[in-house]
Parts: sequence; C-alpha cells; structure tokens
Amino acid sequence: TQLLEQSPQFLSIQEGENLTVYCNSSSVFSSLQWYRQEPGEGPVLLVTVVTGGEVKKLKRLTFQFGDARKDSSLHITAAQPGDTGLYLCAGDRVKLSFGAGTTVTVRA
Amino acid sequence: GAGVSQSPSNKVTEKGKDVELRCDPISGHTALYWYRQSLGQGLEFLIYFQGNSAPDKSGLPSDRFSAERTGGSVSTLTIQRTQQEDSAVYLCASSPKNTEAFFGQGTRLTVV
Repeated sequence: TQLLEQSPQFLSIQEGENLTVYCNSSSVFSSLQWYRQEPGEGPVLLVTVVTGGEVKKLKRLTFQFGDARKDSSLHITAAQPGDTGLYLCAGDRVKLSFGAGTTVTVRA
Repeated sequence: GAGVSQSPSNKVTEKGKDVELRCDPISGHTALYWYRQSLGQGLEFLIYFQGNSAPDKSGLPSDRFSAERTGGSVSTLTIQRTQQEDSAVYLCASSPKNTEAFFGQGTRLTVV
C-alpha cells in the first residue's frame, strides 16, 4: 500500500489546456515535494511545500499543500509539450516516501 | 562532482551472477536513498541511510539485496544471484535534509 496516492495515473492533453494532478494521504507530512522525471533521467525537484495551506507558483505551475498537511495538488496552466514527463510527489515522514507518479503527455 | 554520480550507467549481466552498483552522493549530504524503478512505473523504496544511524532496510525485496555506505559517503548496492525480475533502473538520491532529494542518472540493469 502506497503512503501517498497520486491521481490520475495517466493524463494526456492538448497543448494550451490546463491540468491538475493530485497527491493524497491519510498521514501528516513535515513537508511535501513535487518532482518531474524525463525519460532516461533521475527525478528533479520542482518545489517543496512546508506550511499547511501554502501555495507556491513556479511560472505556469501552481502547487498547493492541504491545510492538514496530508495532501497536495499541482496545477499546470496552458500546458506545453515541454511539460511532458512523470510527476512524482514525495512526503517527508522520517524518510521520504514517493507516490506512484502521474505520467503527463502534452500533445502539440 | 557537483551532483550525485552513479556507476555503471548500464549493466547487462547473466542470470545468477552478482552485481554491484555504486553511488557517489553530494558531499556533506547525510541522507542517502536507493530506489528501483521499472519501465513506466514510480519509485520503489529499497533502503535509506541517515548519518551514523542503522539503515532502514525495510524496502529490500529479498535477502539477495544488500547495501552499505562506507564512511558516510559512497554507497554500494549489491544484488546476488540476479534474476530476470531484478531488471530495472536503480536510482540513488542524497539529501542534506528530507525536504529535497538529489538524484543520480540511475543504473539500468538488464538480467539476461
């Protein structure tokens, strides 16, 4: 059983559309991180959220940490083909635990 | 180097052979993780080292898998008597604190 559940598992959208990826748990985390992984590479950290209710923006990406620090969402506005990749959330609870990931494909 | 380095980048081995995978973490990072990733899948936790504490080995899939971290730096993941189901990408990550992890490029292991 995964400590962090990500949904959806796969997402395919057209360039210019918006998308949201969810990361949920029944556990409380000290922090939650989002990573993006491209084929043949290791995951790369996008953002860390620490405070319940926190919202962080990174260009067209918006990250939100739930008030209870159990869940998070990643929203991409006007997606571009360069946003294609595997998006992973990870929670800090003694050690880092990763969700199974959401594979995002943005079609030109 | 500035990042996490893993070697070899690719390894093809015959079923039943032992393999060693190496990870050089970022200097000063106290935490080191090993994960396994099958094609198109997420990260499967294998083992976690934190400073001088006993490692968390709860993710190792069988007693054929072992890992050590010498001097709080370099780590080696050893797989004995490899099986075809061991084929995957093995990723190493280091972290100064668990709010950010830095990954290597991974070792792609193929057991034939």
